[in-house]
Amino acid sequence: KAGVTQTPRYLIKTRGQQVTLSCSPISGHRSVSWYQQTPGQGLQFLFEYFSETQRNKGNFPGRFSGRQFSNSRSEMNVSTLELGDSALYLCASSVLGYEQYFGPGTRLTVT
Amino acid sequence: GENVEQHPSTLSVQEGDSAVIKCTYSDSASNYFPWYKQELGKRPQLIIDIRSNVGEKKDQRIAVTLNKTAKHFSLHITETQPEDSAVYFCAASKQGGSEKLVFGKGTKLTVNP
Repeated sequence: KAGVTQTPRYLIKTRGQQVTLSCSPISGHRSVSWYQQTPGQGLQFLFEYFSETQRNKGNFPGRFSGRQFSNSRSEMNVSTLELGDSALYLCASSVLGYEQYFGPGTRLTVT
Repeated sequence: GENVEQHPSTLSVQEGDSAVIKCTYSDSASNYFPWYKQELGKRPQLIIDIRSNVGEKKDQRIAVTLNKTAKHFSLHITETQPEDSAVYFCAASKQGGSEKLVFGKGTKLTVNP
């Protein structure tokens, strides 16, 4: 099976802009979770989707949002970008939440 | 909410030695504990996990132990090799369904040849 894929892999944006990141899960996986990874805060949970429904959300401002499509692909959007949003954004897919498999991540740089 | 503490933050061992990384969690309802290995510039890779109904699990040179009473779990790597060098993350979650993974801050393991 193909692994989790994420696009784009790298992104440079300026403050105030918005960005959309995409994640394609492993075939058959219906749960997609998003995490932010930074050197200072480590890996932090953003949100999780299952069958197009957001089931759980982390402690991030409302500028961070996401959605999942009927084919389980997921997108996350960050509006009004801030310098502190610079991070590696990882998505992970799983069958039921156990055994989450990560994608390669999208490296977002906000200038 | 859940909080996961991981120690040590860095660990340096000689090739062939054993390495132990320890994590403690705060929420007694947590019941799923995976470990991830992340090499520089790569994605976190699930290397082993344990559920709360099991005390120990082994996979070749890697083992994880869980003490539910003390709320801590540990990763043991035996006969370490240079390719074991990476950052290791522990995590905890409840039920493993919709619950999020809460990660420790990571341990940078260096195996010296």
